[in-house]
Amino acid sequence: DADVTQTPRNRITKTGKRIMLECSQTKGHDRMYWYRQDPGLGLRLIYYSFDVKDINKGEISDGYSVSRQAQAKFSLSLESAIPNQTALYFCATSLGGLSQPQHFGDGTRLSIL
Amino acid sequence: SQQGEEDPQALSIQEGENATMNCSYKTSINNLQWYRQNSGRGLVHLILIRSNEREKHSGRLRVTLDTSKKSSSLLITASRAADTASYFCATGSVQGAQKLVFGQGTRLTINP
Repeated sequence: DADVTQTPRNRITKTGKRIMLECSQTKGHDRMYWYRQDPGLGLRLIYYSFDVKDINKGEISDGYSVSRQAQAKFSLSLESAIPNQTALYFCATSLGGLSQPQHFGDGTRLSIL
Repeated sequence: SQQGEEDPQALSIQEGENATMNCSYKTSINNLQWYRQNSGRGLVHLILIRSNEREKHSGRLRVTLDTSKKSSSLLITASRAADTASYFCATGSVQGAQKLVFGQGTRLTINP
C-alpha cells in the first residue's frame, strides 16, 4: 500500500547501534501502529498511537521507543540493537477504532549482526 | 500471547479447488478481521465480520463467525495461483486496549 511508506526497506547493522525506522502516511488516519513479525509467531504489537499526544505500549515494547512527530509520521527506534531484534517490522494505520481495517506498509527487514 | 490461532498452519491445494482456513480465539470480541500477506509485502485487509454477524461474503471469499465456539473460518472458492499467500485472522476485543491481536497465520499454496 503506497499510502503507507516505510524507510528503509532493508537494514543491516551491528549489535549496540541505535536504529530508527520511519513511517509516513498520506491516508489522513489518526491511528498508527508498529508491529514486529517473526517466522511462526505472526505479528506482535510494539507500540501504537491514537494521535500525536497519545502513545501506548504494546505487548513487546521493551528495547524500543517511538515518536509521533506529526499525524502522518510515526518512527520506531531501537536504542541499542541486539541480535534477537532481527525481524520484519511493519507500520500500519487506521481511521478510528477497532471496527476499521488497518493499512500496512511493505515493511522493513532488519538484521542485527 | 496470541488471541487468534489459525488452523492449518500450511495448506496446499490445486488451482480451482476451494481453500478453508480456520481461526480460534479466546476472549469475547467485537469483530474479527482477515488479512492476506503476499511474500515480502505488508498485510492487506480482506474482510471484517462483526460479533453480531454470522456470515459475510466478498467476491470469492466467505467468512463465518461462531461466537459460541469462538471460531471463524475463511473460505476461498475457485482458488487461483494469485491466492498463494499467508492469511491471518485478527481480533478486536471488547475488553482491554483498543488494538487488534493477530494470529500466527496459514500459509496457502495454490498449485497450477
